[in-house]
Amino acid sequence: GAGVSQSPSNKVTEKGKDVELRCDPISGHTALYWYRQSLGQGLEFLIYFQGNSAPDKSGLPSDRFSAERTGGSVSTLTIQRTQQEDSAVYLCASSLQGKSAKNIQYFGAGTRLSVL
Amino acid sequence: SQKIEQNSEALNIQEGKTATLTCNYTNYSPAYLQWYRQDPGRGPVFLLLIRENEKEKRKERLKVTFDTTLKQSLFHITASQPADSATYLCALMDSSYKLIFGSGTRLLVRP
Repeated sequence: GAGVSQSPSNKVTEKGKDVELRCDPISGHTALYWYRQSLGQGLEFLIYFQGNSAPDKSGLPSDRFSAERTGGSVSTLTIQRTQQEDSAVYLCASSLQGKSAKNIQYFGAGTRLSVL
Repeated sequence: SQKIEQNSEALNIQEGKTATLTCNYTNYSPAYLQWYRQDPGRGPVFLLLIRENEKEKRKERLKVTFDTTLKQSLFHITASQPADSATYLCALMDSSYKLIFGSGTRLLVRP
């Protein structure tokens, strides 16, 4: 597609349920990133995939969070046993070449997660 | 620890004036600095990138400066318009090629 696509755009769930958020990056982009943005806050880095390398998971806040990227394209961020503090907008970005000092990132519109 | 700071207070200016936003950083030695624009309900959009050996970069009504001695970047919008109202984020790349974002400054341009 022309840009980064994320689904769903909104997700409301009950505390304790698992959720899956999907990201479809720009075709040909080797790097993919997940961020979390709480209301009125900046972007908090979660995880970074670069080609076939092991992902950089250093930003994941707990072991309830995990992500995978299948076939070097689509990525899924999974949050298990959701908590109310997980409520935020989850943004995905892709870039042509992650390991480049220029590394311009292209963002999706995000998934707004609300945990009741 | 590494830190990027942007003014958390909204900048409110009159249409036609120049908006100046500030990004300060500590404990970084970035080779590049980027600025992004974010509108409500949308993801950030890349605007400009400046290298450490560039003092100034321009694109249409936008100008970015990068002072590695002061550890500061200034982002200017000249002849501002209401359509420029948005949140502006600066970002630096760390040693592992992750972009670290500031919390952003909201700009409001009054007609």
